[in-house]
Amino acid sequence: DSGVTQTPKHLITATGQRVTLRCSPRSGDLSVYWYQQSLDQGLQFLIQYYNGEERAKGNILERFSAQQFPDLHSELNLSSLELGDSALYFCASSPRTGTGGSYEQYFGPGTRLTVT
Amino acid sequence: QQQVKQSPQSLIVQKGGISIINCAYENTAFDYFPWYQQFPGKGPALLIAIRPDVSEKKEGRFTISFNKSAKQFSLHIMDSQPGDSATYFCAAGQGYAGNMLTFGGGTRLMVKP
Repeated sequence: DSGVTQTPKHLITATGQRVTLRCSPRSGDLSVYWYQQSLDQGLQFLIQYYNGEERAKGNILERFSAQQFPDLHSELNLSSLELGDSALYFCASSPRTGTGGSYEQYFGPGTRLTVT
Repeated sequence: QQQVKQSPQSLIVQKGGISIINCAYENTAFDYFPWYQQFPGKGPALLIAIRPDVSEKKEGRFTISFNKSAKQFSLHIMDSQPGDSATYFCAAGQGYAGNMLTFGGGTRLMVKP
């Protein structure tokens, strides 16, 4: 158990809908990362938050957004869902961002999103 | 994102054998190279990681070999066990860029008893 929690575990929704995925980082971790894992694209970085502020952005669609709250939990919002958004969404946390090197990232169990 | 290329895509090893997975990267700004192990239905679990100032790191049966000039690194699993059967991902990160990880495509390892 990494200490990172994600809810819900599974989510089934229809095209065009909007969903929210939630992540609680490990106790004391300030950074939260979101990744998408699909069969054709592999594991891809979406977005990172550090202590409430957006720090880095990857291949995140404009229909997707995220935020990190004062208690450090994070939410990933996916809107206008398409069939191709079906994937596993992982949250990871790390103690802080490093200016002199990278720090370990610990992944949660993921949310499996199925868009029908 | 810069690419990280991982090979092979799948690997079958006999119990007790050595499993070797290779990765190559392009971006010389990468300064952190972790390996993750993922079982079906679970999130990736950090296995071992290395920084470019060392050429090898060993933790138990797992060893990372790092070749900075060739921009390659590999994972060696000694005395492979059926319980090691999982998908392994290499990754690379950049400290100044927020530490986001760029992942390889994954290697599905099967260890036969």
